Amino acid sequence: GESVGLHLPTLSVQEGDNSIINCAYSNSASDYFIWYKQESGKGPQFIIDIRSNMDKRQGQRVTVLLNKTVKHLSLQIAATQPGDSAVYFCAENPDRGSTLGRLYFGRGTQLTVWP
Amino acid sequence: GAVVSQHPSRVICKSGTSVKIECRSLDFQATTMFWYRQFPKQSLMLMATSNEGSKATYEQGVEKDKFLINHASLTLSTLTVTSAHPEDSSFYICSARDPTIQVRPYEQYFGPGTRLTVT
Repeated sequence: GESVGLHLPTLSVQEGDNSIINCAYSNSASDYFIWYKQESGKGPQFIIDIRSNMDKRQGQRVTVLLNKTVKHLSLQIAATQPGDSAVYFCAENPDRGSTLGRLYFGRGTQLTVWP
Repeated sequence: GAVVSQHPSRVICKSGTSVKIECRSLDFQATTMFWYRQFPKQSLMLMATSNEGSKATYEQGVEKDKFLINHASLTLSTLTVTSAHPEDSSFYICSARDPTIQVRPYEQYFGPGTRLTVT
C-alpha cells in the first residue's frame, strides 16, 4: 500500500553475505507484486515480480517469496555486492481484474553493503 | 529498450509560479503513464494515472487543479505544478507502461525523476 510520512528502515550487510528485505502490503485483493531498486537521485529499476498465484519466484541472485496469509513479501539477494547498495521497494497492483495497472509502493528499505 | 526520459532533471522556481515537467517514452508507445512524488528518504506516492487522450485519474488527496496532467500523445505526458509553494518541493517521477509486453503487463518503466525546489 501507500507509505507516506515514514522514514526508511535500514539493513547493513557484509559483501558476500545474503540479504533479506521484507515488505508488508496492505491490500488483500492485490494480485501482482514487483520489487524495485532505487539508487540515489534516480528512478526505480525493476528487479523481479510475482503473481499472487505463486509463492516463490527466482531470478538471477534474487528470490521473491510471497505469503498471502499475512500479506508479506520478501526479497532475498544472494552473495550481496557493493553495487546492490540502494533503496528497495516492493510495489503492489491493487486493481485485480482491471487494466489500470496502478502500483502502490511499500515503505522501502535502505540496503548498505560493506566491503 | 523501454526507456523513459524526464525533463528537466532539476528545476528551481519562485513561489507562485508554475513549472512544467515532461515525461517521454523514447522507444515505445505508452497508453498509460503515471506520476509519483517522493520526499527525501520516503516512498513513492502515486499522484495520478494518465491515459492518452483522456483526463487523468487522481489519487485521493491530490489536488487536480494544482497538479495539471496532460497526456496528449502516446509518448508524452506533462505535469504542471501550478502556483508552486515551498511545500511542493519534491522529487517527481513519472513512469510508463508498455501494453505490448505480455509477460509483465503491469511493469512500469520509470524516468530518472525531476527535482523541484520552490523558493
